Amino acid sequence: QSALTQPPSASGSPGQSVTISCTGTSSDVGGYNYVSWYQQRPGKAPKLMIYEVTKRPSGVPDRFSGSKSDNTASLTVSGLQAEDEADYYCSSFAGGSNYVFGTGTKVTVL
Amino acid sequence: EVQLVESGGGSVQPGGSLRLSCAASGFTFGAFWMHWVRQAPGKGPVWVSRINSDGSSTVHADSVKGRFTISRDNAKSALYLQMNSLRAEDTAVYYCTRDYNKGMDVWGQGTTVTVSS
Repeated sequence: QSALTQPPSASGSPGQSVTISCTGTSSDVGGYNYVSWYQQRPGKAPKLMIYEVTKRPSGVPDRFSGSKSDNTASLTVSGLQAEDEADYYCSSFAGGSNYVFGTGTKVTVL
Repeated sequence: EVQLVESGGGSVQPGGSLRLSCAASGFTFGAFWMHWVRQAPGKGPVWVSRINSDGSSTVHADSVKGRFTISRDNAKSALYLQMNSLRAEDTAVYYCTRDYNKGMDVWGQGTTVTVSS
């Protein structure tokens, strides 16, 4: 199973929006509505930000939103804040109880 | 407080074995599927293994199939990963995670495994 493809970096000024893409195949992203997004700060474990493509766990700000079209999922962070600077990873269920993660995107708040 | 705490990592020579443990607290452990996920230095997370709530069904990534075994003891609220025939490419931080609708909503702090001669 190949890793999902994400852009290496994305950036925006405080208050702006940034959107990160996550491209897979019909065997993972396109085949199931089980895309998740994780935020990881240096030296810390990943934190679940979005699950089932669009749903936010309790406590995650509504500035974070997810979507999907065909084999590509997206995470949008609106109203960027300094605390949003981190690495972001997508993940998808890939059938047969397998899961695949993305290559990761470093978000920089300018 | 919902918490996962991994232990058992360390340095081992190629071909060696290690057993990782994960102690769960703050939730009904036996009601949840669980995963092991690893992350090599400077790389993204990689899913390793999954076990269902009663331990009757397990799945492993192709890269570890036949070498790693996931198991659990619900009476002890504990998750395990037996790792045999370790290779240099198994070097990573290993995380215990809780499944939530095919996402992973709770992560431990990780335990480091280094395979080197």
